[in-house]
Amino acid sequence: ETGVTQTPRHLVMGMTNKKSLKCEQHLGHNAMYWYKQSAKKPLELMFVYSLEERVENNSVPSRFSPECPNSSHLFLHLHTLQPEDSALYLCASSQIRQSLGTEAFFGQGTRLTVV
Amino acid sequence: LAKTTQPISMDSYEGQEVNITCSHNNIATNDYITWYQQFPSQGPRFIIQGYKTKVTNEVASLFIPADRKSSTLSLPRVSLSDTAVYYCLVGVRMDSNYQLIWGAGTKLIIKP
Repeated sequence: ETGVTQTPRHLVMGMTNKKSLKCEQHLGHNAMYWYKQSAKKPLELMFVYSLEERVENNSVPSRFSPECPNSSHLFLHLHTLQPEDSALYLCASSQIRQSLGTEAFFGQGTRLTVV
Repeated sequence: LAKTTQPISMDSYEGQEVNITCSHNNIATNDYITWYQQFPSQGPRFIIQGYKTKVTNEVASLFIPADRKSSTLSLPRVSLSDTAVYYCLVGVRMDSNYQLIWGAGTKLIIKP
C-alpha cells in the first residue's frame, strides 16, 4: 500500500464511450502525475499538477483530459479513445516536482483496454 | 534526442550482488537520479535516489561518477523476490523544455 489509490483497476471501453479514471492520495503531497505505460515502452509522463495547477502537458491528444479539483484528487477523463490507447495508466504523487529530487509514490494503475 | 539507456535484461542467482548501470548523457546540473522497482500489475516503487558519489540505504546502493553521465544501482545479496523491472529516472532539459525521461527498464531475473 503506497497511499495512492486508483480506481478502477481494470476498464474496458468502446471507442465511442466516455469514462474517467480516478486517483486519490492522502499523503499530503502537492504534486500529482499521470503516466502511460504501454507494453515494452518506457513510462510516458502525460500530465503534471503542482499545487492544483497543470504545469506540464507532454503533447497528449485532446481525447485525454485531466482534472485536479484539489490536492488529494486527480482525474483523467477519456473520450473517443483509439485501440492504441490501451495501456496501464499510472497515477503518482510527490511532495514537490519529481525532477527536483523527490520520491514519488505510485498507485497500482488502471489497466485500460479500448475495443 | 536525449535518453537514458539501460540493459534490457539481466540474470543472476540468489545471494549474489547485482549491478545495473544506466547512462544519461544529457543530465541537467540540478537533476537527481532516481531508481524504481516495478512488479507485474503494480506501479513503480522508489528504491534509492542520489546526486553524486555514493548513496546507500537499507535495500541498495547507488554509485554516481564525477561526470554524472551514468549511475549504477547495486543490489546486495539478491533473493527471488528481487525479480522485477528496474528503472532509472532523470530530468532532462531539451532546449527550453523540461522533461522527465524514464529508461526502458531492466528486467532482472533471479534464479535459485
